[in-house]
Amino acid sequence: NAGVTQTPKFRVLKTGQSMTLLCAQDMNHEYMYWYRQDPGMGLRLIHYSVGEGTTAKGEVPDGYNVSRLKKQNFLLGLESAAPSQTSVYFCASSYGGGASYEQYFGPGTRLTVT
Amino acid sequence: TQLLEQSPQFLSIQEGENLTVYCNSSSVFSSLQWYRQEPGEGPVLLVTVVTGGEVKKLKRLTFQFGDARKDSSLHITAAQPGDTGLYLCAGMRAGGTSYGKLTFGQGTILTVHP
Repeated sequence: NAGVTQTPKFRVLKTGQSMTLLCAQDMNHEYMYWYRQDPGMGLRLIHYSVGEGTTAKGEVPDGYNVSRLKKQNFLLGLESAAPSQTSVYFCASSYGGGASYEQYFGPGTRLTVT
Repeated sequence: TQLLEQSPQFLSIQEGENLTVYCNSSSVFSSLQWYRQEPGEGPVLLVTVVTGGEVKKLKRLTFQFGDARKDSSLHITAAQPGDTGLYLCAGMRAGGTSYGKLTFGQGTILTVHP
Protein backbone atom coordinates (compact mmCIF):
# COMPACT_ATOMS: atom_id res chain seq x y z
CA ASN A 1 0.00 0.00 0.00
CA ALA A 2 1.19 3.52 -0.82
CA GLY A 3 -0.79 5.08 2.06
CA VAL A 4 -1.31 8.80 1.45
CA THR A 5 0.36 10.35 -1.57
CA GLN A 6 0.51 14.01 -2.59
CA THR A 7 1.19 15.60 -5.97
CA PRO A 8 3.26 17.67 -6.65
CA LYS A 9 6.09 17.65 -4.10
CA PHE A 10 7.25 21.17 -4.90
CA ARG A 11 5.74 24.10 -6.78
CA VAL A 12 6.57 27.74 -7.36
CA LEU A 13 3.72 30.06 -8.36
CA LYS A 14 3.51 33.70 -9.23
CA THR A 15 1.00 35.86 -7.39
CA GLY A 16 -2.42 35.47 -8.99
CA GLN A 17 -1.80 32.08 -10.57
CA SER A 18 -3.95 29.09 -9.74
CA MET A 19 -3.13 25.48 -9.00
CA THR A 20 -4.57 22.26 -7.63
CA LEU A 21 -2.91 19.97 -5.11
CA LEU A 22 -3.90 16.32 -5.32
CA CYS A 23 -4.13 13.94 -2.38
CA ALA A 24 -4.81 10.24 -2.83
CA GLN A 25 -5.21 7.49 -0.23
CA ASP A 26 -5.54 3.75 -0.76
CA MET A 27 -6.72 2.80 2.75
CA ASN A 28 -10.46 3.24 2.06
CA HIS A 29 -10.62 5.99 4.69
CA GLU A 30 -13.79 8.05 5.02
CA TYR A 31 -12.21 11.18 6.50
CA MET A 32 -9.66 13.38 4.75
CA TYR A 33 -8.03 16.64 5.79
CA TRP A 34 -5.87 19.42 4.36
CA TYR A 35 -3.43 21.25 6.65
CA ARG A 36 -0.82 23.93 6.17
CA GLN A 37 2.37 24.06 8.21
CA ASP A 38 4.21 27.30 8.85
CA PRO A 39 7.26 27.82 11.09
CA GLY A 40 6.28 28.22 14.75
CA MET A 41 2.58 27.62 14.00
CA GLY A 42 2.24 23.85 13.99
CA LEU A 43 -0.34 22.51 11.53
CA ARG A 44 -3.56 24.38 10.87
CA LEU A 45 -6.64 22.77 9.33
CA ILE A 46 -7.76 24.30 6.03
CA HIS A 47 -10.67 22.08 4.94
CA TYR A 48 -11.83 18.58 5.66
CA SER A 49 -14.20 15.92 4.32
CA VAL A 50 -16.15 13.24 6.16
CA GLY A 51 -17.03 11.29 3.04
CA GLU A 52 -17.30 11.30 -0.73
CA GLY A 53 -19.11 14.39 -1.97
CA THR A 54 -18.84 16.28 1.33
CA THR A 55 -16.49 19.08 2.38
CA ALA A 56 -16.36 21.55 5.28
CA LYS A 57 -14.27 24.52 6.36
CA GLY A 58 -11.53 24.24 8.91
CA GLU A 59 -9.60 26.85 10.84
CA VAL A 60 -8.03 28.76 7.90
CA PRO A 61 -10.19 28.19 4.78
CA ASP A 62 -9.94 31.62 3.10
CA GLY A 63 -8.34 31.55 -0.35
CA TYR A 64 -8.75 27.77 -0.74
CA ASN A 65 -11.38 25.46 -2.21
CA VAL A 66 -11.64 21.69 -2.05
CA SER A 67 -13.46 18.84 -3.75
CA ARG A 68 -13.98 15.17 -2.87
CA LEU A 69 -15.55 13.66 -5.98
CA LYS A 70 -14.06 10.22 -5.31
CA LYS A 71 -13.58 8.65 -1.88
CA GLN A 72 -9.87 8.12 -2.42
CA ASN A 73 -9.06 11.64 -3.65
CA PHE A 74 -9.16 15.05 -1.97
CA LEU A 75 -8.20 18.08 -4.05
CA LEU A 76 -7.08 21.46 -2.71
CA GLY A 77 -7.34 24.44 -5.04
CA LEU A 78 -5.84 27.89 -4.92
CA GLU A 79 -7.75 30.15 -7.33
CA SER A 80 -5.51 33.20 -7.05
CA ALA A 81 -2.30 32.50 -5.15
CA ALA A 82 -0.92 35.07 -2.70
CA PRO A 83 2.51 35.22 -1.01
CA SER A 84 0.75 34.51 2.32
CA GLN A 85 -0.06 31.06 0.96
CA THR A 86 3.60 30.12 0.82
CA SER A 87 3.68 27.08 3.09
CA VAL A 88 4.02 23.33 3.30
CA TYR A 89 0.70 21.59 2.70
CA PHE A 90 -0.13 18.23 4.20
CA CYS A 91 -3.01 15.93 3.43
CA ALA A 92 -4.17 13.36 5.97
CA SER A 93 -6.76 10.64 6.10
CA SER A 94 -8.47 8.71 8.87
CA TYR A 95 -10.77 5.70 9.10
CA GLY A 96 -13.12 7.54 11.43
CA GLY A 97 -13.61 10.75 13.35
CA GLY A 98 -13.59 9.39 16.88
CA ALA A 99 -11.21 10.38 19.65
CA SER A 100 -8.81 7.50 19.16
CA TYR A 101 -8.55 7.43 15.38
CA GLU A 102 -5.10 7.96 13.91
CA GLN A 103 -4.54 10.39 11.06
CA TYR A 104 -2.16 9.23 8.35
CA PHE A 105 -0.24 12.02 6.67
CA GLY A 106 1.19 12.39 3.21
CA PRO A 107 4.76 13.62 2.58
CA GLY A 108 3.69 17.20 1.94
CA THR A 109 3.80 19.75 -0.89
CA ARG A 110 6.13 22.71 -0.54
CA LEU A 111 4.55 25.73 -2.24
CA THR A 112 6.25 29.05 -2.79
CA VAL A 113 4.29 32.03 -4.09
CA THR A 114 6.42 34.90 -5.40
CA THR B 1 -3.74 32.92 20.06
CA GLN B 2 -2.75 29.27 20.04
CA LEU B 3 -5.30 26.92 21.58
CA LEU B 4 -2.58 24.43 22.47
CA GLU B 5 0.60 25.94 23.86
CA GLN B 6 3.59 23.68 23.42
CA SER B 7 6.89 24.27 25.19
CA PRO B 8 9.73 24.55 24.75
CA GLN B 9 9.85 25.38 21.04
CA PHE B 10 13.49 24.34 20.77
CA LEU B 11 15.48 21.82 22.78
CA SER B 12 19.14 20.99 22.20
CA ILE B 13 20.59 18.34 24.51
CA GLN B 14 23.38 15.79 24.75
CA GLU B 15 22.87 12.08 24.25
CA GLY B 16 21.84 10.40 27.50
CA GLU B 17 20.01 13.39 28.97
CA ASN B 18 16.34 13.35 29.93
CA LEU B 19 13.80 15.87 28.67
CA THR B 20 10.15 16.82 28.98
CA VAL B 21 7.92 18.58 26.46
CA TYR B 22 4.70 20.19 27.64
CA CYS B 23 1.39 20.82 25.91
CA ASN B 24 -1.06 23.08 27.74
CA SER B 25 -4.50 24.51 27.10
CA SER B 26 -7.43 26.12 28.88
CA SER B 27 -9.77 23.91 26.85
CA VAL B 28 -10.80 20.33 27.53
CA PHE B 29 -9.92 17.70 24.96
CA SER B 30 -11.52 14.31 24.36
CA SER B 31 -8.12 12.99 23.32
CA LEU B 32 -4.56 14.14 22.91
CA GLN B 33 -2.19 12.77 20.31
CA TRP B 34 1.56 13.10 19.97
CA TYR B 35 3.20 13.01 16.55
CA ARG B 36 6.82 12.98 15.42
CA GLN B 37 7.88 14.55 12.16
CA GLU B 38 11.15 14.10 10.26
CA PRO B 39 12.38 16.72 7.77
CA GLY B 40 10.65 16.40 4.40
CA GLU B 41 8.02 14.00 5.71
CA GLY B 42 4.57 14.13 7.22
CA PRO B 43 3.87 13.65 10.95
CA VAL B 44 3.63 10.09 12.25
CA LEU B 45 1.50 9.19 15.25
CA LEU B 46 3.37 8.11 18.40
CA VAL B 47 0.50 7.75 20.87
CA THR B 48 -3.08 8.70 21.69
CA VAL B 49 -4.28 9.32 25.24
CA VAL B 50 -7.99 9.54 25.94
CA THR B 51 -8.52 9.21 29.71
CA GLY B 52 -7.69 11.90 32.27
CA GLY B 53 -4.57 10.89 34.21
CA GLU B 54 -3.64 8.26 31.63
CA VAL B 55 0.03 7.35 31.29
CA LYS B 56 1.39 5.48 28.27
CA LYS B 57 4.92 4.26 27.68
CA LEU B 58 6.61 3.65 24.37
CA LYS B 59 10.12 2.33 25.09
CA ARG B 60 11.98 5.39 26.47
CA LEU B 61 9.05 7.75 25.86
CA THR B 62 6.41 8.37 28.53
CA PHE B 63 3.20 10.24 27.71
CA GLN B 64 0.80 11.62 30.29
CA PHE B 65 -2.67 13.16 29.93
CA GLY B 66 -3.64 15.62 32.63
CA ASP B 67 -6.40 14.73 35.08
CA ALA B 68 -8.61 17.51 33.71
CA ARG B 69 -7.75 16.58 30.08
CA LYS B 70 -6.40 20.08 29.42
CA ASP B 71 -2.70 19.28 29.25
CA SER B 72 -0.21 16.59 28.35
CA SER B 73 3.49 15.89 28.60
CA LEU B 74 6.06 13.83 26.76
CA HIS B 75 9.10 12.66 28.71
CA ILE B 76 12.09 11.04 27.01
CA THR B 77 14.60 9.14 29.12
CA ALA B 78 18.22 8.85 28.03
CA ALA B 79 17.72 10.64 24.73
CA GLN B 80 19.50 9.31 21.65
CA PRO B 81 20.44 11.05 18.37
CA GLY B 82 17.70 9.02 16.68
CA ASP B 83 15.14 10.92 18.78
CA THR B 84 15.98 14.12 16.89
CA GLY B 85 12.94 15.57 15.16
CA LEU B 86 9.87 17.77 15.47
CA TYR B 87 7.39 16.67 18.14
CA LEU B 88 3.80 17.85 17.83
CA CYS B 89 0.91 17.55 20.23
CA ALA B 90 -2.60 17.60 18.81
CA GLY B 91 -5.91 17.67 20.62
CA MET B 92 -9.45 16.78 19.66
CA ARG B 93 -11.89 19.22 21.26
CA ALA B 94 -14.43 17.77 23.69
CA GLY B 95 -18.14 18.34 23.23
CA GLY B 96 -20.20 17.99 20.09
CA THR B 97 -19.08 16.17 16.97
CA SER B 98 -15.44 16.80 16.22
CA TYR B 99 -15.23 14.89 12.91
CA GLY B 100 -11.69 14.03 13.89
CA LYS B 101 -10.54 17.64 13.65
CA LEU B 102 -7.23 18.17 15.42
CA THR B 103 -5.77 21.34 16.93
CA PHE B 104 -1.98 21.26 16.87
CA GLY B 105 0.54 22.85 19.17
CA GLN B 106 3.41 24.87 17.67
CA GLY B 107 5.80 21.95 17.88
CA THR B 108 9.10 21.28 19.67
CA ILE B 109 12.25 20.89 17.62
CA LEU B 110 14.46 18.42 19.48
CA THR B 111 18.14 18.00 18.63
CA VAL B 112 20.11 15.31 20.43
CA HIS B 113 23.88 15.63 20.01
CA PRO B 114 26.09 12.50 20.12
